[in-house]
Amino acid sequence: QQQVKQSPQSLIVQKGGISIINCAYENTAFDYFPWYQQFPGKGPALLIAIRPDVSEKKEGRFTISFNKSAKQFSLHIMDSQPGDSATYFCAASAGNMLTFGGGTRLMVKP
Amino acid sequence: DTAVSQTPKYLVTQMGNDKSIKCEQNLGHDTMYWYKQDSKKFLKIMFSYNNKELIINETVPNRFSPKSPDKAHLNLHINSLELGDSAVYFCASSQTGRAEAFFGQGTRLTVV
Repeated sequence: QQQVKQSPQSLIVQKGGISIINCAYENTAFDYFPWYQQFPGKGPALLIAIRPDVSEKKEGRFTISFNKSAKQFSLHIMDSQPGDSATYFCAASAGNMLTFGGGTRLMVKP
Repeated sequence: DTAVSQTPKYLVTQMGNDKSIKCEQNLGHDTMYWYKQDSKKFLKIMFSYNNKELIINETVPNRFSPKSPDKAHLNLHINSLELGDSAVYFCASSQTGRAEAFFGQGTRLTVV
């Protein structure tokens, strides 16, 4: 049973466009929702995270939107750049254990 | 300074062999993890160690055994390797009570 579902699996965006990746979760005990960015040959790196007491968090060009009632959260990348091309993972945790979504491979075309 | 380091980065071995992957973190964290990333990029937790005690074992075959000599190190031993064990294995660490996990660069294990 996949507790965190992520979509789309792959995404192609033009430079300067907005990239949107969505995640849905089932476990209402989750209380921490991070996004990780992974480049080829590297480990996942924490990008931005949110807790369910806020509906939005913004850091630079990256924004998380959180809908607690729908049990959904999304990552928006504004003004997408070729350097943003990577695989993005949403995750959720209750305590220390992270459960990851299936990943989205983002390609930003110049 | 590397925060979470794993060795080796690549490991190619034959079926039936026994191998180990080492992990060290210098972040002062007291919880360490092993994750497996399969060919479809799916990340799944295998083990979690908190202050040298195993606290999670996600139905991993007992051919896999984590060993933690101290809270800065968590090694992964794999016995009788099988083709299906081929994957990228990531070590990670976090502070107890905080879910922000920091990952190593991964070890790509190929079993032939």
